Amino acid sequence: SSELTQGPDVSVALGQTVTITCQGDSITDYYANWFQLQPGQAPKLLIYGRNNRPSGVPERFTGSTTGRTSSLTITGVLAEDEGDYFCGGRDSGGDVVLFGGGTTLTV
Amino acid sequence: QVQLQESGPGLVKSSETMSLTCSVSGISVTSGGYYWGWVRRPPGKGLEWIGSFYYGKNSYQSPALKSRLNMSVDTSRNQFSVSLTSVTAADTAMYYCARGVNMGRFDYWGRGTLVSVS
Repeated sequence: SSELTQGPDVSVALGQTVTITCQGDSITDYYANWFQLQPGQAPKLLIYGRNNRPSGVPERFTGSTTGRTSSLTITGVLAEDEGDYFCGGRDSGGDVVLFGGGTTLTV
Repeated sequence: QVQLQESGPGLVKSSETMSLTCSVSGISVTSGGYYWGWVRRPPGKGLEWIGSFYYGKNSYQSPALKSRLNMSVDTSRNQFSVSLTSVTAADTAMYYCARGVNMGRFDYWGRGTLVSVS
């Protein structure tokens, strides 16, 4: 199917570890990317490829992929991590971009 | 430093055409190696890809919006634009422009511009 499905909204305490998931058939062809959206700010690329962080993204953000599931893990959550997280990437045909429905993280 | 900034009408009447422009600094939209695209987020909903292009090569559009969509580039101003015809309330959203290293890996984004359809 040409869609990405994200897990439910999550609520965690400061310092805990949280994992957000994204499922879709296209993930078996192309890695998903992970984005953070916070009010009033430009969306931010957090993870791309297998598990790569752009310059400036803290090491507490990591990614992994198993089969048709991509996961974003935040280890040692900070208050500043509160926001919406989206997975996104190419569909299997390569000429359409898909986004997951988003997961809201509350700290 | 790469920066993108969206500009738009703010308010559009239903059935009319909305046009948005993305002004780019720090890099030319004609430089190779990058895609340029649009993404929107309706209130309370998720991200929706609108379309992307690779200058001088291919243009890609959301199948859901393709029939109402037009994308263009103004190289003299280092801007790219999108227009959407026959808008409805469903087109009310925050609209973002972004640079992509590939079709899905958007590494630089603008802060967005809100468009409301009345």
